[in-house]
Amino acid sequence: GAVVSQHPSRVICKSGTSVKIECRSLDFQATTMFWYRQFPKQSLMLMATSNEGSKATYEQGVEKDKFLINHASLTLSTLTVTSAHPEDSSFYICSARGGQEVSFGNTIYFGEGSWLTVV
Amino acid sequence: KNEVEQSPQNLTAQEGEFITINCSYSVGISALHWLQQHPGGGIVSLFMLSSGKKKHGRLIATINIQEKHSSLHITASHPRDSAVYICAVQGAQKLVFGQGTRLTINP
Repeated sequence: GAVVSQHPSRVICKSGTSVKIECRSLDFQATTMFWYRQFPKQSLMLMATSNEGSKATYEQGVEKDKFLINHASLTLSTLTVTSAHPEDSSFYICSARGGQEVSFGNTIYFGEGSWLTVV
Repeated sequence: KNEVEQSPQNLTAQEGEFITINCSYSVGISALHWLQQHPGGGIVSLFMLSSGKKKHGRLIATINIQEKHSSLHITASHPRDSAVYICAVQGAQKLVFGQGTRLTINP
């Protein structure tokens, strides 16, 4: 079945540095990818929606200059946390929606998430 | 009031019990997802429903579009079923998530 792969699964970075998280769709072309953030014991919070080849649409309250999203191809989206601070430590999850293939249609598939710790 | 409400928020049961988790929503949807999140954080998509009922192994998911309600059932529950179960409704584009139900199955 369809697989969405996120990398890295865990990353520790120093305060002030930038870190990139990749989200790849392995079996299908993802016309739309979503990035979520989850604080401990809370529900997933949508950060932004990205469509291949266009700028991401950010949710209210999410700093677009801090959380850079690039969706340069139909199988890859990246989230870059710039000038990371300890309060950016969180669990980040991507999901992807197929568009072209009939079998994948409108289904949304999730990556396994990435734990970011900023020290 | 949240657009997606799950109940219960926490559920502890003994191995073998029949489990039901409920999800009610207030918005129009094109599909509803049941997700499973294990302690490590990774999310597994269990079901995507737009009508009726689906079954996969010991898991059953139902949805009533008129009543805007879905249930996830686990038969013959097992400690490995312990996880957070999340209901998410899909509108035109985005997903809206419930708060999750933390399920603990004791041996």
